[in-house]
Amino acid sequence: GEDVEQSLFLSVREGDSSVINCTYTDSSSTYLYWYKQEPGAGLQLLTYIFSNMDMKQDQRLTVLLNKKDKHLSLRIADTQTGDSAIYFCADYKEGRTGRRALTFGSGTRLQVQP
Amino acid sequence: EAGVTQFPSHSVIEKGQTVTLRCDPISGHDNLYWYRRVMGKEIKFLLHFVKESKQDESGMPNNRFLAERTGGTYSTLKVQPAELEDSGVYFCASSQVGGILEETQYFGPGTRLLVL
Repeated sequence: GEDVEQSLFLSVREGDSSVINCTYTDSSSTYLYWYKQEPGAGLQLLTYIFSNMDMKQDQRLTVLLNKKDKHLSLRIADTQTGDSAIYFCADYKEGRTGRRALTFGSGTRLQVQP
Repeated sequence: EAGVTQFPSHSVIEKGQTVTLRCDPISGHDNLYWYRRVMGKEIKFLLHFVKESKQDESGMPNNRFLAERTGGTYSTLKVQPAELEDSGVYFCASSQVGGILEETQYFGPGTRLLVL
């Protein structure tokens, strides 16, 4: 199965809060990331959280990390139509062979209704 | 500061042809990664360069894929011969070596490859 899992789709109304959830399996993950991909564009780094943190806030974005449950969430306050995009959760770890790579989820498509 | 750039942005080729993708990392970034997203699925790791050396190529799907990074600057990913299942978006990312910032990878816009 996948190492990182996300729900595929989320629809919210403009002005509401959006919460995108992610679960991961590897407890040795050191960093967890949220990337955003707008239509036709590349991956934009939104925010990241160290594995020894529970929460990180950055303007309208709040990241919550529950290490016990291996659950990561991204909350977007006052969601705008410009927030419509695919959001990817990713974890980072250094493997025994020295591998340093991100493991991504399938992405959650956020649709913001005006 | 320029970000990661990739060329071409789109490529449409026929099965059996050869395609070469190029990635220019952020200046000063010795780590360079290739990833791809196939059929709307998850983004999967292909390989990792540190300067011109292949640190990890465990994600390369088969020997039809060849990545190079001569001189430790830009990288190319060649698919020869291309198959239908190679269609997808190929992303390149780079990061600095050493320190906290090494773990933060910055992605290019991707090359959308369609094999007919």
